[in-house]
Amino acid sequence: DGGITQSPKYLFRKEGQNVTLSCEQNLNHDAMYWYRQDPGQGLRLIYYSQIVNDFQKGDIAEGYSVSREKKESFPLTVTSAQKNPTAFYLCASSIPGQRLSGNTIYFGEGSWLTVV
Amino acid sequence: KNQVEQSPQSLIILEGKNCTLQCNYTVSPFSNLRWYKQDTGRGPVSLTIMTFSENTKSNGRYTATLDADTKQSSLHITASQLSDSASYICVVRNSGGYQKVTFGTGTKLQVIP
Repeated sequence: DGGITQSPKYLFRKEGQNVTLSCEQNLNHDAMYWYRQDPGQGLRLIYYSQIVNDFQKGDIAEGYSVSREKKESFPLTVTSAQKNPTAFYLCASSIPGQRLSGNTIYFGEGSWLTVV
Repeated sequence: KNQVEQSPQSLIILEGKNCTLQCNYTVSPFSNLRWYKQDTGRGPVSLTIMTFSENTKSNGRYTATLDADTKQSSLHITASQLSDSASYICVVRNSGGYQKVTFGTGTKLQVIP
């Protein structure tokens, strides 16, 4: 079945450590995104990528890094520079463009990151 | 500034009852509005999409309305079921840039027996 796979589902990080969240999609979508979700807040965009080897900062990119070496993969690294990394992270993908169907953002199941 | 506000923040209803969730937005220029359902600890799933020219769209027991003049949308759930317990997120896309979407903070719905 087509979809977006995030791993791990739960991750614990010690302060000062970098951690990488995996995101893989087999929907053949060009665009991929990383969002952060905190209680009581809407999803906030961390990074997005329109095509392979290209990515742009979102609204809260500080302390995060990404890569887009393959169309189907968009890993997110939470670095030690991110001061408050404990959150629920959602990866998403879509077909860019103006077609109505291209406006649907498909989400993965999310990854919980906790700093201990 | 593009904003999407949802109300109520949370809601508890009895199984079988109807409810209506509200979404007000200031996103401009408007492209479309989606309602997503997000189960706890899961990714959001799209329920409906509405463009400028549409004012009502149904998906089973879910009916979304859109008033583009007042920039308001509602999601009506009919004959609620326990499985409807989730957060419902309103997402508005503008037409000014690449995938510029603004997320509401969601309404947390709990359906009790």
